[in-house]
Amino acid sequence: KAGVTQTPRYLIKTRGQQVTLSCSPISGHRSVSWYQQTPGQGLQFLFEYFSETQRNKGNFPGRFSGRQFSNSRSEMNVSTLELGDSALYLCASSLASSGHHSNEQFFGPGTRLTVL
Amino acid sequence: AQTVTQSQPEMSVQEAETVTLSCTYDTSENNYYLFWYKQPPSRQMILVIRQEAYKQQNATENRFSVNFQKAAKSFSLKISDSQLGDTAMYFCAFMSLNYGGSQGNLIFGKGTKLSVKP
Repeated sequence: KAGVTQTPRYLIKTRGQQVTLSCSPISGHRSVSWYQQTPGQGLQFLFEYFSETQRNKGNFPGRFSGRQFSNSRSEMNVSTLELGDSALYLCASSLASSGHHSNEQFFGPGTRLTVL
Repeated sequence: AQTVTQSQPEMSVQEAETVTLSCTYDTSENNYYLFWYKQPPSRQMILVIRQEAYKQQNATENRFSVNFQKAAKSFSLKISDSQLGDTAMYFCAFMSLNYGGSQGNLIFGKGTKLSVKP
């Protein structure tokens, strides 16, 4: 099975712009979670989507949004970019059905966003 | 709110030796999972080992094992026979289980940078 893929791998934007990141989960996985990783704050949960619905949300401003499509692919959007949004954005997918190992999250390689 | 604390920002170990990484967490919940993830310099996060809170037996995966102390809310990772490829950031993570299903998000510690020296 192919792993979680994220595109693009690298992005450079300027303040005030918006950006869209894409995540394709492992085939059959219905849940996609997004995380922001920075040296200062570490790994922080952004949101989780399951069956096209946002099921859980972290403590981020409304500039951060996401969606999930019927094929489970997910996108996240950041509007009005700020310097502090520079980070590695990680996407993770899981089966998210009942059962012990369905909670395991498989991570993609991440998208490195730099805001100038 | 749940928190995860890793008190060792950096550690080093000689190849073939054993090292233990510490993790403590705080939660009022009774049903949850604990994980150790590894993030090598290439940045792909990989699951090392998982522990279900309801299981008393400590999880093991080849050279990796945990010491899970539920009452003390402690979850340490032991790496035996350390190899150069174990060099990475190691993150301890917590996931709550609500209503029989996954809550869908991991709460991570700040990580421990492990260097394995030849």
